[in-house]
Amino acid sequence: GAGVSQSPSNKVTEKGKDVELRCDPISGHTALYWYRQSLGQGLEFLIYFQGNSAPDKSGLPSDRFSAERTGGSVSTLTIQRTQQEDSAVYLCASWVPGQGWNTEAFFGQGTRLTVV
Amino acid sequence: SQQGEEDPQALSIQEGENATMNCSYKTSINNLQWYRQNSGRGLVHLILIRSNEREKHSGRLRVTLDTSKKSSSLLITASRAADTASYFCATDPYSGNTPLVFGKGTRLSVIA
Repeated sequence: GAGVSQSPSNKVTEKGKDVELRCDPISGHTALYWYRQSLGQGLEFLIYFQGNSAPDKSGLPSDRFSAERTGGSVSTLTIQRTQQEDSAVYLCASWVPGQGWNTEAFFGQGTRLTVV
Repeated sequence: SQQGEEDPQALSIQEGENATMNCSYKTSINNLQWYRQNSGRGLVHLILIRSNEREKHSGRLRVTLDTSKKSSSLLITASRAADTASYFCATDPYSGNTPLVFGKGTRLSVIA
């Protein structure tokens, strides 16, 4: 497709279970972000992938969160032993960095995670 | 840490009025961007202003940037009910390959 695709759109899971969220970025976009947004709040940065560089994991809230990006394209965010405070919308965005002046990010529609 | 901070947090206006939202940030930037979010889902890019620009227009949108005050404003003229959404500013820090940093957003309600 032409845009950033995220799946699933909605996920309800039981506390303590692991979940995997998927992001398909726009083809050719070397940079990919994951953000988290709790209800009524702003975007919280989680992790950033740029080309072959080591990812910037500084935003991951705990070691229960991890992410990988295979082949420089699809990314998977994994949350282990989910907690109720993990409930949020998880947003993925991709872009083409290095252009300095004109770097617009393209967002997927997000995955709404509810931990019950 | 949060870079951009928008104010007000919420704004309610009548259709046809202008809406002004402000954003302040802390560090040097390459550019500042405004995004719109409907119904708590994906964000849509509205407009980007470079650090060497002071004002930019796009349709009913007008963005200003004051790098000396580290602030920006987004003006939506002749607002419509369909403009109801949350608006976020995002800064692209001037520090290499770093992520966009978003503020907490302004929730705009346009009443018909």
